[in-house]
Amino acid sequence: DIVMTQSPDSLAVSLGERATINCRSSQSLLYSPNNKNYVAWYQQKPRQPPKLLIYWASIREFGVPDRFSGSGSGTDFTLTISSLQAEDVAVYYCQQFYSSPPLFGQGTKLEIK
Amino acid sequence: QVQLQESGPGVVKPAETLSLTCTVSGDSISSYYWSWIRQAAGKGLEWVGRIYPGSSAIYSPSLKSRVTMSVDTPKNQFSLRLTSVTAADTAVYYCARRMVRGVNGDAFDVWGQGTMVTVSP
Repeated sequence: DIVMTQSPDSLAVSLGERATINCRSSQSLLYSPNNKNYVAWYQQKPRQPPKLLIYWASIREFGVPDRFSGSGSGTDFTLTISSLQAEDVAVYYCQQFYSSPPLFGQGTKLEIK
Repeated sequence: QVQLQESGPGVVKPAETLSLTCTVSGDSISSYYWSWIRQAAGKGLEWVGRIYPGSSAIYSPSLKSRVTMSVDTPKNQFSLRLTSVTAADTAVYYCARRMVRGVNGDAFDVWGQGTMVTVSP
């Protein structure tokens, strides 16, 4: 199984500041034939299902604000929120979809400082 | 716009079988892969398994011996059965759709709202 490890477990950022969440996989998620990294990022607000933000490491899902961006390749990935808004308070998960089972990271709780 | 709705008993007794159904509306169930994902209170997300209509299901290795998924195409529904439940199976259970758009792999773009299942005598 490909294990996903996020850091930090929790994060407090001031409104308007940058938030950065890291994710490391136990194996490379780069699929050489198409040069794509099989990692996704989700946002989960309290009492809601997760919402897909980013797939293929850096492609924003339809309707996701452009303050959200994803980067990285191989085994190290980052979700960045360029200017934190109040509505961004949530738990964020990375997930690998390179192989089965599709495992998630443990989550990073993002709060306002 | 496709929507998913989970349904089933909110309480299941230990050692019994948990049965849930996900109803798909707004699109045909036939063209997509469908998964169940669960989340214990205050915990992370655990993939349970996936199924494609007309094909065999794939299950999480940790649950494989107790899980069965099936599809009812005429009803546009798919289902989960989890046998011999214990308190460790208490969780919110989500159904979800594997995204398309050329993505070959289990990333999930549509989720149900989730249904809470408690294992309790």
